[in-house]
Amino acid sequence: GDSVTQMEGPVTLSEEAFLTINCTYTATGYPSLFWYVQYPGEGLQLLLKATKADDKGSNKGFEATYRKETTSFHLEKGSVQVSDSAVYFCALSDRPRGNRDDKIIFGKGTRLHILP
Amino acid sequence: DAMVIQNPRYQVTQFGKPVTLSCSQTLNHNVMYWYQQKSSQAPKLLFHYYDKDFNNEADTPDNFQSRRPNTSFCFLDIRSPGLGDAAMYLCATSRVGTGGYTFGSGTRLTVV
Repeated sequence: GDSVTQMEGPVTLSEEAFLTINCTYTATGYPSLFWYVQYPGEGLQLLLKATKADDKGSNKGFEATYRKETTSFHLEKGSVQVSDSAVYFCALSDRPRGNRDDKIIFGKGTRLHILP
Repeated sequence: DAMVIQNPRYQVTQFGKPVTLSCSQTLNHNVMYWYQQKSSQAPKLLFHYYDKDFNNEADTPDNFQSRRPNTSFCFLDIRSPGLGDAAMYLCATSRVGTGGYTFGSGTRLTVV
């Protein structure tokens, strides 16, 4: 079945460091890919998404490129801030448009700690 | 702003005492989802509604039920909460074909 694998955390970086969180997926079709962020005690917020191969999603300095050849969607940021400390979830949705089984599958999450 | 609202944010219930969590949306999305998220784990889909059609995940315990009386509201009923049901419960909505999902802020359930 469909699945998402992301690097285990916690990841600890100093402020202004470069961030990469790896994510790979397995899907039978052509999934849409997402990164969600969860701050302590909060729900999930969509960070960025990409719906087809070679698309780049970006938001708040974060970027991820949909790589079909490597089935990857790695999250990157050039200079992290303390406020980026959160849990990041990679996710996919692999249902044709209009299919009533449209649902999202999450990876296990990566906790990110940014030190001042 | 259009959004997904979950009430309450925090819920404490007694072991074995039925509890209901609520979710409402102003997005007019036709699909609504309930996820369970335990500490340091990924959200796990319990069930979803496509309009009024109910879709249960195969491994969702019978202790969990859901109701969707209209497009805007969806309820999660836990008939006899156990200690293992303590978790964050997340409601989400989507409009099929858009590839977009909107999550509520969640309800954190404590069972005492």
